[in-house]
Amino acid sequence: DVVMTQSPLSLPVTLGQSASISCRSNRSLVYSDGNTYLIWFQQRPGQSPRRLIYKVSSRDSGVPDRFSGSGSGSDFTLKISRVEAEDVAVYYCMQGTHWPYTFGQGTKLELK
Amino acid sequence: EVQLVQSGPEVKKPGESLRISCKGSGYHFSRYWIGWVRQMPGKGLEWMGLIFPGDSNITYSPSFQGQVTISADKSTTTAYLQWRSLKASDTAMYYCARTEPYYYGSGSHFDYWGQGTPVTVSS
Repeated sequence: DVVMTQSPLSLPVTLGQSASISCRSNRSLVYSDGNTYLIWFQQRPGQSPRRLIYKVSSRDSGVPDRFSGSGSGSDFTLKISRVEAEDVAVYYCMQGTHWPYTFGQGTKLELK
Repeated sequence: EVQLVQSGPEVKKPGESLRISCKGSGYHFSRYWIGWVRQMPGKGLEWMGLIFPGDSNITYSPSFQGQVTISADKSTTTAYLQWRSLKASDTAMYYCARTEPYYYGSGSHFDYWGQGTPVTVSS
């Protein structure tokens, strides 16, 4: 299975500051069609995962533009600028290139 | 509006059987994969398997092969996850999610999730 490694696992942030989460895979995530199926999810307490970013950097409709994804190959980043209280959640990266699909361990964003 | 609505909470004893469901609506059910994801208490997310209702093509994660059975009924637009003999270690929240075949190219992969079905297995 492809191993997805997130860091940090805990991310204390001050309101209004920026946050960055790294996600690395042990294999390239470029699919045979040339796309890279790296997705970022947000999971608030007691809720289902919500897709924020797909194919590395495409933001879902309704997701604030404070969220952005970047990276290539096996090295990816989720950036949240101007953190708000509603951003408190666990963030997961997931690769949808190699079956079985796999998630990172999750990064818990909390307020300082 | 696309929706995946899962069946309600379950409390079972070890050794009992169980089937939980995920009903899709608001889209062409047969044309999207439905996957099942496990989240054990306080832990991360794990893919269990996928089914394509259009032709009942199923793929299981090796970790779950032989442990569960995934099925779907196109006529009722419902996918199922089934256990023959539950163990305490099956206690978890189970989510369903849809994803398009990648060649569709519309970006509709893993975009809608069910609300989750909590399963508790305890004697």
